[in-house]
Amino acid sequence: SQKIEQNSEALNIQEGKTATLTCNYTNYSPAYLQWYRQDPGRGPVFLLLIRENEKEKRKERLKVTFDTTLKQSLFHITASQPADSATYLCALSDSSYKLIFGSGTRLLVRP
Amino acid sequence: NAGVTQTPKFQVLKTGQSMTLQCAQDMNHEYMSWYRQDPGMGLRLIHYSVGAGITDQGEVPNGYNVSRSTTEDFPLRLLSAAPSQTSVYFCASSSLRFGGYSYEQYFGPGTRLTVT
Repeated sequence: SQKIEQNSEALNIQEGKTATLTCNYTNYSPAYLQWYRQDPGRGPVFLLLIRENEKEKRKERLKVTFDTTLKQSLFHITASQPADSATYLCALSDSSYKLIFGSGTRLLVRP
Repeated sequence: NAGVTQTPKFQVLKTGQSMTLQCAQDMNHEYMSWYRQDPGMGLRLIHYSVGAGITDQGEVPNGYNVSRSTTEDFPLRLLSAAPSQTSVYFCASSSLRFGGYSYEQYFGPGTRLTVT
């Protein structure tokens, strides 16, 4: 069955360092991969979308890579700040209109 | 422009009761969907719609009904509430671009439902 895996353990890093979050998937042929941020008690907020034929996408301090051979996406936040502390979700969409989410990884940035 | 709105914010139901969670968007988005979020489980797709009059099942549709009579509204009905339906429910909408893939989702603030 289709499966999306994100590290369930929280990632704890020092302010100023680069945070790297991983999203792995199996039994899936996504056309797009998306990353969202979710703060406690709120709905997810869209951050970045990358297509299957793109290797890398950047937006300000954010960078996403997409390796369809490894079936993996990496999400990087450079020069991390305490305000970046949140849960980050990856989501995959294929031609079926369904958007399927991973369970998310919590990021804690220490001042 | 209110985006995606959901009502109510909180609801407590007794087992066997029915209710409707409301969702509305003012962005003229074709695609709307409902997710539930449980601790450690992430967001799971319940039902989705690609336009008025068109709905389809997601990953966990049992116990829920939907309809889409207008572009703006996509209510979720719980037919006979069960404790297993205790969760936080999110509605989302997006446009459908060329190729029909669902793009970036705009989420509502969520409804926290408890079934006792």
